[in-house]
Amino acid sequence: DGGITQSPKYLFRKEGQNVTLSCEQNLNHDAMYWYRQDPGQGLRLIYYSQIVNDFQKGDIAEGYSVSREKKESFPLTVTSAQKNPTAFYLCATKQTSANNEQFFGPGTRLTVL
Amino acid sequence: QQPVQSPQAVILREGEDAVINCSSSKALYSVHWYRQKHGEAPVFLMILLKGGEQKGHEKISASFNEKKQQSSLYLTASQLSYSGTYFCGTVSNSGYALNFGKGTSLLVTP
Repeated sequence: DGGITQSPKYLFRKEGQNVTLSCEQNLNHDAMYWYRQDPGQGLRLIYYSQIVNDFQKGDIAEGYSVSREKKESFPLTVTSAQKNPTAFYLCATKQTSANNEQFFGPGTRLTVL
Repeated sequence: QQPVQSPQAVILREGEDAVINCSSSKALYSVHWYRQKHGEAPVFLMILLKGGEQKGHEKISASFNEKKQQSSLYLTASQLSYSGTYFCGTVSNSGYALNFGKGTSLLVTP
């Protein structure tokens, strides 16, 4: 079954702890993205990667880190430096051409207590 | 830079029409439209390319005005299932990643 897997769906962490959100895809897409969604803010780009072992900062990269060691995986770490980490996090993938559809994973809702 | 969507919210009765607009200050290569239900991932509706034709998907269609760097999404004879938040995502001529607007919340009532 092809698609994008994000786990877990809900995640709770204490303030000051780092947490890693997973994103796995078997669509064989080159590009992968992380977005953060807050009420009334739309989708804001955190990081993206067009190819293995390469990634670029998006609009709100501060307090986050990523790695792209495998084509299928693009984990996002929310560090303690992120001031307001509670949000809905969406991973997306697509083929590299700009006119291709971008596919989204089901998302992870992170709550920091 | 985020594209600007308008209106922010709209309420319709079933069967009515709506238009959602998306504008950018940058030259655009393509515009992507998505619909998101609460708590779910955005679902792709259509892509409009620079120099391309107006697209249609059942009773939902869209246009892309390259001169004005604007796109409009047209929903005709709305159905209850059209409710959700609509996002436009833009790719500029110089960029690569999609930049999304803040969304337009659409509620269709019986």
